[in-house]
Amino acid sequence: DQQVKQNSPSLSVQEGRISILNCDYTNSMFDYFLWYKKYPAEGPTFLISISSIKDKNEDGRFTVFLNKSAKHLSLHIVPSQPGDSAVYFCAASDTNTGNQFYFGTGTSLTVIP
Amino acid sequence: DVKVTQSSRYLVKRTGEKVFLECVQDMDHENMFWYRQDPGLGLRLIYFSYDVKMKEKGDIPEGYSVSREKKERFSLILESASTNQTSMYLCASRYWELFFGEGSRLTVL
Repeated sequence: DQQVKQNSPSLSVQEGRISILNCDYTNSMFDYFLWYKKYPAEGPTFLISISSIKDKNEDGRFTVFLNKSAKHLSLHIVPSQPGDSAVYFCAASDTNTGNQFYFGTGTSLTVIP
Repeated sequence: DVKVTQSSRYLVKRTGEKVFLECVQDMDHENMFWYRQDPGLGLRLIYFSYDVKMKEKGDIPEGYSVSREKKERFSLILESASTNQTSMYLCASRYWELFFGEGSRLTVL
């Protein structure tokens, strides 16, 4: 069963606007979350992470929000740029019990110039 | 800079062939992983290793084996390739976040 879900397979946003990518998880023991960006024919690259002791983490144009009670996290990209067009994966881990990360199915973001 | 190197970017093999995918990391990480990525399915864990000669099955280990003889090297082996193993294979290592290689696109005919 999918423990991490990204329910929007695709998203289109105008350049300069905000992109919001969403991710839901089912395992309440997950305590470390990451976002990755992937271009075609390349490996995923790490974007930003958040641990469960925080509810927000920022890095430049990227902000991740964590709502533990709703088991939901989101990635905000402001302002969106055409180079942000890629597939975005969220991932979650229970750092107390193991090394495994569970990935969502990805959201393909298109930023329209 | 962090580096995870996968030996082959593109491979084409025939059904029944043995396939080796090799991965090397230069970060002295103990943990290494093999994932496959398929459209609509995201990244699924095949095997991981938390130390030399140690391995654990992931979510989809059937049809695969792995080898970790040295800390920096983690190999994925398809003993007898099948068409349903056509996929993008991604190696990763980690301390905290995962660092991925560029991927190996395998086509099995």
